[in-house]
Amino acid sequence: AQSVAQPEDQVNVAEGNPLTVKCTYSVSGNPYLFWYVQYPNRGLQFLLKYITGDNLVKGSYGFEAEFNKSQTSFHLKKPSALVSDSALYFCAVRDRNTDKLIFGTGTRLQVFP
Amino acid sequence: DTAVSQTPKYLVTQMGNDKSIKCEQNLGHDTMYWYKQDSKKFLKIMFSYNNKELIINETVPNRFSPKSPDKAHLNLHINSLELGDSAVYFCASSQAQGRYYEQYFGPGTRLTVT
Repeated sequence: AQSVAQPEDQVNVAEGNPLTVKCTYSVSGNPYLFWYVQYPNRGLQFLLKYITGDNLVKGSYGFEAEFNKSQTSFHLKKPSALVSDSALYFCAVRDRNTDKLIFGTGTRLQVFP
Repeated sequence: DTAVSQTPKYLVTQMGNDKSIKCEQNLGHDTMYWYKQDSKKFLKIMFSYNNKELIINETVPNRFSPKSPDKAHLNLHINSLELGDSAVYFCASSQAQGRYYEQYFGPGTRLTVT
């Protein structure tokens, strides 16, 4: 079965510092990977996706993610964190058999001024 | 010009009641979904429709029944509400069925069953 794991429940970072939110995947075949962000009391917003091609994917709000096949990872990164980036971040993988989007458990990012 | 909208935003009701949540998307997408987010923020697919046809039907109680009158609307009707149905329900849409397409989510409906 396809799955993603987000090993950190919470990530704390100071404003202006780089941030990384980790995600590892377990799939058979080529993975289709996504990152979403959920601000408090809001729906999820799409940030970026990896389907094929360049391992470094650029997305919304200055976020990027690096696909690493050997480490089966798809970590979300941003060079300089903003307080407004504080939110809940979800990694997801598309199940190749059912087309279902399988979400990780989420990582809460807290950016301190 | 909200892309995916849901009504109501909050729904408080008693056990045993029947309620509906409505969803509309103005993106011209072919595929729509319902997700449930529990109190621990875990997200799980419930249903998906593609051009009014049911595609994904997860193992949910048959008290939950989706209805898609047209491809821009996907409503969720819940019969005989139970305490465990309390959650946030999200509607989403994507351009088409298929693994390449990202999904766009509505703002959610917080259902509280007392």
